[in-house]
Amino acid sequence: DAGVTQSPTHLIKTRGQQVTLRCSPISGHKSVSWYQQVLGQGPQFIFQYYEKEERGRGNFPDRFSARQFPNYSSELNVNALLLGDSALYLCASSLGLADFYEQYFGPGTRLTVT
Amino acid sequence: KNEVEQSPQNLTAQEGEFITINCSYSVGISALHWLQQHPGGGIVSLFMLSSGKKKHGRLIATINIQEKHSSLHITASHPRDSAVYICAVLYSGGGADGLTFGKGTHLIIQP
Repeated sequence: DAGVTQSPTHLIKTRGQQVTLRCSPISGHKSVSWYQQVLGQGPQFIFQYYEKEERGRGNFPDRFSARQFPNYSSELNVNALLLGDSALYLCASSLGLADFYEQYFGPGTRLTVT
Repeated sequence: KNEVEQSPQNLTAQEGEFITINCSYSVGISALHWLQQHPGGGIVSLFMLSSGKKKHGRLIATINIQEKHSSLHITASHPRDSAVYICAVLYSGGGADGLTFGKGTHLIIQP
């Protein structure tokens, strides 16, 4: 079975632009969480989606938004990009809510904002 | 703000040595995760714990709920164990807040 997949692998954007990152969970997993990892730091929680509903949100500005589709894949959108948004964006899937189930991480999307 | 503290930040050891990485947290949790991250970014989940002890191969994870402390042990360490090890917790009732991560322990095992 395929693990969690993310696309694209790498992305370079300019300040002020918008970006969409994609995540496909492990088959059968209904929850997707998004994390931002700035170089040299531990990941920080952005969103959790379960059964297509937002179930948790970290301390990120409204420029960050996400959604989950009927097939449980997910997109993370970031508007009006800032230099500080440069980071590795990680997606993790779990069978159910992350409270109770182990999370499986994708390889990440490395976003560079210039 | 609820913090997750890891120690040591950096650890270099010789192949075969017994390795211990520590994690402490500030308030009650519903689960604690140990994760492994290799250069390039990929994260692998090693353990999810809410009490007691778990073992998988040469890896052992323990948690003491009363002391709010967890340890990850590696027996008979090998150069392929070189990675960043991250502790992450889910605070009780904080499922909506997601995992809170430590900054990681950079482990290098020399041949």
